Amino acid sequence: QQQVKQSPQSLIVQKGGISIINCAYENTAFDYFPWYQQFPGKGPALLIAIRPDVSEKKEGRFTISFNKSAKQFSLHIMDSQPGDSATYFCAASRGGATNKLIFGTGTLLAVQP
Amino acid sequence: DADVTQTPRNRITKTGKRIMLECSQTKGHDRMYWYRQDPGLGLRLIYYSFDVKDINKGEISDGYSVSRQAQAKFSLSLESAIPNQTALYFCATSAPTGGNDEQYFGPGTRLTVT
Repeated sequence: QQQVKQSPQSLIVQKGGISIINCAYENTAFDYFPWYQQFPGKGPALLIAIRPDVSEKKEGRFTISFNKSAKQFSLHIMDSQPGDSATYFCAASRGGATNKLIFGTGTLLAVQP
Repeated sequence: DADVTQTPRNRITKTGKRIMLECSQTKGHDRMYWYRQDPGLGLRLIYYSFDVKDINKGEISDGYSVSRQAQAKFSLSLESAIPNQTALYFCATSAPTGGNDEQYFGPGTRLTVT
């Protein structure tokens, strides 16, 4: 049972373009939605996260858009760079006492120079 | 030095062998986690521990066991390895929630069971 669905599985974007990765969740009790970035041979690292009290969060070229009614959230990478080439995972958790993350299946992003 | 370390980084073992993967952290976090990563499946939680005396099963604990030897050490064991346990294994840590739910991952252990 997959509680967080992520798409697309892979994405190719030209340098300078916008990369968009989408996730949908089922459990309305989720209250923390992070995105993790993973480079080959490394562990995932937190990129940006949002809580449902806001609809958008921006950090540099990275933006999370959150739609609570649709139970969807997305990562936008503006002015994509070859150094952004990595695997991106969305996740969700109830936070609080448990902080158990449920991960999406990942998106392999390739930014072509 | 890395805050979360895992040993070994790579391991090849045979079906039926017992194997232990180790995780150590210097972040001073109470919470530790073991995940497995498979292509197309993302990361799935195997076990987690909120302190030395607290061990909890995750979504895919069958065939695995863990030991929390100290606040800084959390080991994952495969009592009798099987080929479908071939995967990338990650340890992670987090602080008690106080608004910061970030998990910090180690570099991973690539396990191959032949």
